[in-house]
Amino acid sequence: EVQLVESGGGLVQPGRSLRLSCAASGFTFDDYAMHWVRQAPGKGLEWVSGISWNSGSIGYADSVKGRFTISRDNAKNSLYLQMNSLRAEDTALYYCAKDMGSSWRSSPGFDYWGQGTLVTVSS
Amino acid sequence: EIVLTQSPGTLSLSPGERATLSCRASQSVSSSYLAWYQQKPGQAPRLLIYGASSRATGIPDRFSGSGSGTDFTLTISRLEPEDFAVYYCQQYGSSSWTFGQGTKVEIK
Repeated sequence: EVQLVESGGGLVQPGRSLRLSCAASGFTFDDYAMHWVRQAPGKGLEWVSGISWNSGSIGYADSVKGRFTISRDNAKNSLYLQMNSLRAEDTALYYCAKDMGSSWRSSPGFDYWGQGTLVTVSS
Repeated sequence: EIVLTQSPGTLSLSPGERATLSCRASQSVSSSYLAWYQQKPGQAPRLLIYGASSRATGIPDRFSGSGSGTDFTLTISRLEPEDFAVYYCQQYGSSSWTFGQGTKVEIK
């Protein structure tokens, strides 16, 4: 059974940093690209970042480019999101999602999602 | 960035009725990279359709997807009580993934 378990969320002040983690199990982690998708309270879904199976290709939404860094450790079956210079508008539930393919771009979709970890940016 | 516009915003229907949800792109997108998701309150999104018309694993055949270019449709042939939820379309293009704003299917 595929499982994605996010952690690392919490309350953080504007301008500070936070690192999210996603522990994956139930599939061959290093065969697939992975993504972070967020959802602000009561709002829709927003793609944040994606990373290919071997970290060779990475993409970011314009809203987080230069502030967030995605990474993965295939030996630990883990995905990460380093979030710096956090803003109030980054407040959201952050989901880890598995891609159906090995590249984060040009794939059919995201077939498994975690339950999310909540990030609240407030003073 | 390609913008996806979903309509209607809310669809009020009764169980057993047919639901037709629209997703329109601001420019042509590849059907291969068009997906639909269902999200229920307090739950993560679930992949329903990928490649515009292929059902994901375990998805009932009352769900179907169609379309090409800039216009895509998700059809639920006969609504079951568990189908009342929010539905999102998603596409890849211009080095970014984007989602539509969602269509809520509610019980009339």
